[in-house]
Amino acid sequence: AQRVTQPEKLLSVFKGAPVELKCNYSYSGSPELFWYVQYSRQRLQLLLRHISRESIKGFTADLNKGETSFHLKKPFAQEEDSAMYYCALIVRSQGGSEKLVFGKGTKLTVNP
Amino acid sequence: DTEVTQTPKHLVMGMTNKKSLKCEQHMGHRAMYWYKQKAKKPPELMFVYSYEKLSINESVPSRFSPECPNSSLLNLHLHALQPEDSALYLCASSQRWGWEQYFGPGTRLTVT
Repeated sequence: AQRVTQPEKLLSVFKGAPVELKCNYSYSGSPELFWYVQYSRQRLQLLLRHISRESIKGFTADLNKGETSFHLKKPFAQEEDSAMYYCALIVRSQGGSEKLVFGKGTKLTVNP
Repeated sequence: DTEVTQTPKHLVMGMTNKKSLKCEQHMGHRAMYWYKQKAKKPPELMFVYSYEKLSINESVPSRFSPECPNSSLLNLHLHALQPEDSALYLCASSQRWGWEQYFGPGTRLTVT
């Protein structure tokens, strides 16, 4: 089955501490993965896409095909990073349709 | 204009009402999407339009009727909804079907 697993529903860290949000996927094809973030009362925003290998707001994510993981990391968390984070996978069917499948999300709280 | 806009922001409707949600983008994107998001849950795909043609209907009840009048506009017509249809309805667009998606702020729908 094609799915995205985010094992932590809630994650709490202190300001300045490193943070890692876990994402594992199951997909038979070549995966295309994204991280989306939803701050309180704001729209869902694209944070990272694995193909661009960029760093946004200090966050990075590396695709590890061997471990089927795409964990999101930041070396020093800030209070403004508190938000809901979703890992997402593009799933393509044999019929040619494509859809974005989301994990259940991890709510990150960064404490002062 | 680099955003997806949605109107109205909030909508309260009775079970016998007919209403419509509107989504607009002027980024030249040729794929548009409707999602439903319940509280503390990830978005669930409802419909995909690619080049103004309905490409995916995720077995959504017929009381939800999508319409794509042109490449910039996406509507969701609502009729005879149930209280369990109360949710945040998100619109998204992407340059092409299967590419990274950009989300609108959503319409918070309450069915009484």
